[in-house]
Amino acid sequence: DAGVIQSPRHEVTEMGQEVTLRCKPISGHDYLFWYRQTMMRGLELLIYFNNNVPIDDSGMPEDRFSAKMPNASFSTLKIQPSEPRDSAVYFCASSPGQFNQPQHFGDGTRLSIL
Amino acid sequence: SQQGEEDPQALSIQEGENATMNCSYKTSINNLQWYRQNSGRGLVHLILIRSNEREKHSGRLRVTLDTSKKSSSLLITASRAADTASYFCATVTSGSRLTFGEGTQLTVNP
Repeated sequence: DAGVIQSPRHEVTEMGQEVTLRCKPISGHDYLFWYRQTMMRGLELLIYFNNNVPIDDSGMPEDRFSAKMPNASFSTLKIQPSEPRDSAVYFCASSPGQFNQPQHFGDGTRLSIL
Repeated sequence: SQQGEEDPQALSIQEGENATMNCSYKTSINNLQWYRQNSGRGLVHLILIRSNEREKHSGRLRVTLDTSKKSSSLLITASRAADTASYFCATVTSGSRLTFGEGTQLTVNP
């Protein structure tokens, strides 16, 4: 079984640029989660989807952040315009259940905004 | 705000020894989950324990849950160098999301 696949693994870009992170969840998982991990704030849930529908986006830090899930096998997290404080590791995870089942994480995208 | 807090923040042991990590939380939970994160990788789920369970095992891992003390522990027996990683507890409260603690960095020296 292929796990959760994220791309790119690393992204370095300049402040003000648009950044798009991609995620392919595990087939058959109904829930998809986007997290951000930093030294200062730890692991934070940004948004999650159920059957491609956004359920809770209260963790999205600002309007500069947006996420979509056009189909069951693909999701994007977009930052526009990017700022240096957005530098972090962004993880995508999928699960067959909301929060009562194990979550399966991708290896993350390490984002550096210069 | 953090719901689960791990203790200790860092732990260094010799191969073959047991490692115990603790997690305390503030409010009643539906379940508690332990994850491992190797450097540069995503989190890997280890064990999920529900509020009505007291102990669960998986291979060399043993998790206990004491809801009266609002605490959980993860025991790794006969540790190996490959167990070197960060370990996180995550809690789920009623009507809430999965909230991760800050983690324990475990180093197993060969």
